[in-house]
Amino acid sequence: DQQVKQNSPSLSVQEGRISILNCDYTNSMFDYFLWYKKYPAEGPTFLISISSIKDKNEDGRFTVFLNKSAKHLSLHIVPSQPGDSAVYFCAASDNAGNMLTFGGGTRLMVKP
Amino acid sequence: KAGVTQTPRYLIKTRGQQVTLSCSPISGHRSVSWYQQTPGQGLQFLFEYFSETQRNKGNFPGRFSGRQFSNSRSEMNVSTLELGDSALYLCASSFYGDTEAFFGQGTRLTVV
Repeated sequence: DQQVKQNSPSLSVQEGRISILNCDYTNSMFDYFLWYKKYPAEGPTFLISISSIKDKNEDGRFTVFLNKSAKHLSLHIVPSQPGDSAVYFCAASDNAGNMLTFGGGTRLMVKP
Repeated sequence: KAGVTQTPRYLIKTRGQQVTLSCSPISGHRSVSWYQQTPGQGLQFLFEYFSETQRNKGNFPGRFSGRQFSNSRSEMNVSTLELGDSALYLCASSFYGDTEAFFGQGTRLTVV
């Protein structure tokens, strides 16, 4: 039973445009959500997080939106850059960080 | 500030052998978690240690074990290796397990 799902395995976006990556979860006990970026053969790099008491969090070009009623979160990258090309994982926790459940990842390709 | 350091980066072992992987967390971080990444199962939580105590454990057989030392460094051990244990093993650290987890570059284990 996949508790965190990223239904789009890949996404292709033109440089300068917005990238929107989506994530759905089923466990209503999750109260902390994170996005990570990953290159092959490397560890995930933390991007941005959001607590369930918020519905939006921004950090530079990255914004995460949380819709608790729909059990859905999304990561917006504006503007997208070729260096953003990587696999993006959303992750969720029910105790603020020390045991993460990951989605399957979305491969983002930003074309110059 | 040094990041999470995992050693070795690459390892080749034979079926039936055992292996020990090491993780040095970011200075000041007391929570260390371990994850396994495989193409078929994605990123899966193994276990988490805090102040030398295992706080959480994922759904892995008892062949997978770990420990944490007083300086927060952690090791994980896999005994009686199987071909299916071939994976990227990732370690992540955070202050108390209640903040964002930062990952190391991982150890690529190949079982032949």
